[in-house]
Amino acid sequence: GESVGLHLPTLSVQEGDNSIINCAYSNSASDYFIWYKQESGKGPQFIIDIRSNMDKRQGQRVTVLLNKTVKHLSLQIAATQPGDSAVYFCAENIGNQGGKLIFGQGTELSVKP
Amino acid sequence: GAGVSQSPSNKVTEKGKDVELRCDPISGHTALYWYRQSLGQGLEFLIYFQGNSAPDKSGLPSDRFSAERTGGSVSTLTIQRTQQEDSAVYLCASSGGPETQYFGPGTRLLVL
Repeated sequence: GESVGLHLPTLSVQEGDNSIINCAYSNSASDYFIWYKQESGKGPQFIIDIRSNMDKRQGQRVTVLLNKTVKHLSLQIAATQPGDSAVYFCAENIGNQGGKLIFGQGTELSVKP
Repeated sequence: GAGVSQSPSNKVTEKGKDVELRCDPISGHTALYWYRQSLGQGLEFLIYFQGNSAPDKSGLPSDRFSAERTGGSVSTLTIQRTQQEDSAVYLCASSGGPETQYFGPGTRLLVL
């Protein structure tokens, strides 16, 4: 999801359902992508990453999909739990610019019990 | 320590004052990053240190902002003559390689 200003896109799901959070990235030279979870009052927490030579990577309850053709990244969370409620950010690393990350605007995930 | 630590956790200051924010990276991590996060926004890159190389300062918004990293470990971000628009959460991250960055809890700066 994309947004401007202070209003984050929000996704509301029922506990136990699957969640899909989308992200459009900006630079075709980006070769590494990360998803972070940020809970209120805390720093971002690493969830999963993927390199540009892959199109799918799975972790525990999470899957990241990368579509380089349309510069799109998604995070799938299986069996969403109340503890998954947070803001989720995608970030890209542009290969020739060192380690700095370019962050998306974020999506707020709200899980209803 | 087990993770990245930052201090202070909260800082309230008056417009025009200087502030110093501290970051202790994960032991052994060679790379250290500073980001800024305004309310409801994503993270904005500020500066990046990698080993003994010259830092990448391309994200610093003005010459009032500076950072140093002493002994390849602790880093201090200094904001001189603070302005109200400097109010934000300042986040530090470190990494042991070129990729995955681990973040600290941030310093919440409020400029009155």
